[in-house]
Amino acid sequence: EAQVTQNPRYLITVTGKKLTVTCSQNMNHEYMSWYRQDPGLGLRQIYYSMNVEVTDKGDVPEGYKVSRKEKRNFPLILESPSPNQTSLYFCASSLYPFTDTQYFGPGTRLTVL
Amino acid sequence: GQQVMQIPQYQHVQEGEDFTTYCNSSTTLSNIQWYKQRPGGHPVFLIQLVKSGEVKKQKRLTFQFGEAKKNSSLHITATQTTDVGTYFCAGQGPNTGNQFYFGTGTSLTVIP
Repeated sequence: EAQVTQNPRYLITVTGKKLTVTCSQNMNHEYMSWYRQDPGLGLRQIYYSMNVEVTDKGDVPEGYKVSRKEKRNFPLILESPSPNQTSLYFCASSLYPFTDTQYFGPGTRLTVL
Repeated sequence: GQQVMQIPQYQHVQEGEDFTTYCNSSTTLSNIQWYKQRPGGHPVFLIQLVKSGEVKKQKRLTFQFGEAKKNSSLHITATQTTDVGTYFCAGQGPNTGNQFYFGTGTSLTVIP
């Protein structure tokens, strides 16, 4: 089954404690993205990747890091989380960015205390 | 920077009524996609529009891309309770590379 998986689905942490949210897709997609969703603001792109070792900043990259060492995986790293990073995070992938369906993962709800 | 606004933010309709959400961009879009997110779920791709003035239909859903490629609309005819959710547009600007810009979304409630 074609899918995008994220882990964990829920996470409560404290300010400053490094965390990683994993994302994996099994569709051999080139393009992968991370979004955060906040009430009234829609989805905002954090980072995206066109292929292995190719990553670019989206609209709201501050406080986040990503890596793309393998085609299927695109982890999101928060080196020193802060309360303003409390949000719902989605990973997504597509074969190419604007010519194909973008598939979203189930989401990770992060709370930073 | 690129801004994509959607109106209305919320819409309550009686089952059977029509519904329309509008997406407006501050700049010309190369293309636009529409997504639906059910409550508690993740966004699901509905359709992509590329050409100026393009109109596409999916059963009761009609999608339109403006002539100037700065706005788009999604119209649902005779809403059903299964239409409940938030509808987002997402676009690519002419000079924004491979970055997606999502609209703020319209939350649809259908009253049985």
